[in-house]
Amino acid sequence: DAGITQSPRHKVTETGTPVTLRCHQTENHRYMYWYRQDPGHGLRLIHYSYGVKDTDKGEVSDGYSVSRSKTEDFLLTLESATSSQTSVYFCAISDLGGWYTEAFFGQGTRLTVV
Amino acid sequence: RKEVEQDPGPFNVPEGATVAFNCTYSNSASQSFFWYRQDCRKEPKLLMSVYSSGNEDGRFTAQLNRASQYISLLIRDSKLSDSATYLCVVNLLADRGSTLGRLYFGRGTQLTVWP
Repeated sequence: DAGITQSPRHKVTETGTPVTLRCHQTENHRYMYWYRQDPGHGLRLIHYSYGVKDTDKGEVSDGYSVSRSKTEDFLLTLESATSSQTSVYFCAISDLGGWYTEAFFGQGTRLTVV
Repeated sequence: RKEVEQDPGPFNVPEGATVAFNCTYSNSASQSFFWYRQDCRKEPKLLMSVYSSGNEDGRFTAQLNRASQYISLLIRDSKLSDSATYLCVVNLLADRGSTLGRLYFGRGTQLTVWP
């Protein structure tokens, strides 16, 4: 299995609090992605990174920010958590932006905002 | 309109059956195509890439029709262990010649194989 870990694996937080999810890889892959997965919507891209300090928005980026200060770490921050951000969050990595290369996923973080 | 559309199913088939999943994508500039498998409460994992000429991996056959913007996955001789959600995935490059791609996922098709 690819060396990709997410932390925490489960979190319950209150509305209005900031939350940071961490994705750590040991594969030295250039590209890292954050997705959320919700019933009826499938996987939706939040933000992605194509290098250290190089990030861009995905299709559902409102309310989220990211940072990548090192190749191996990609942080996702919910600036002020809302109940609509209750979801399963997946981090993924790939070597060539997905161009016929495999994207590897972390095991996911289940976030509940109450 | 979503970039990738899939029939969500569910598909319920007996062991040994042949089942086919279909997927359409909206952007003709899409460059590469995949099927991922996701087990319940687990992360998605690559099942197979889909090439223009079609490709086969054991009981699994994938086809791509660029003219119709259509991708298919055929599973022959279904096994209980094939029960999962199958995700159609399309990579759209940011610019022609760029290696920066964004993966777009369909909502997934749920398959249950029963004994």
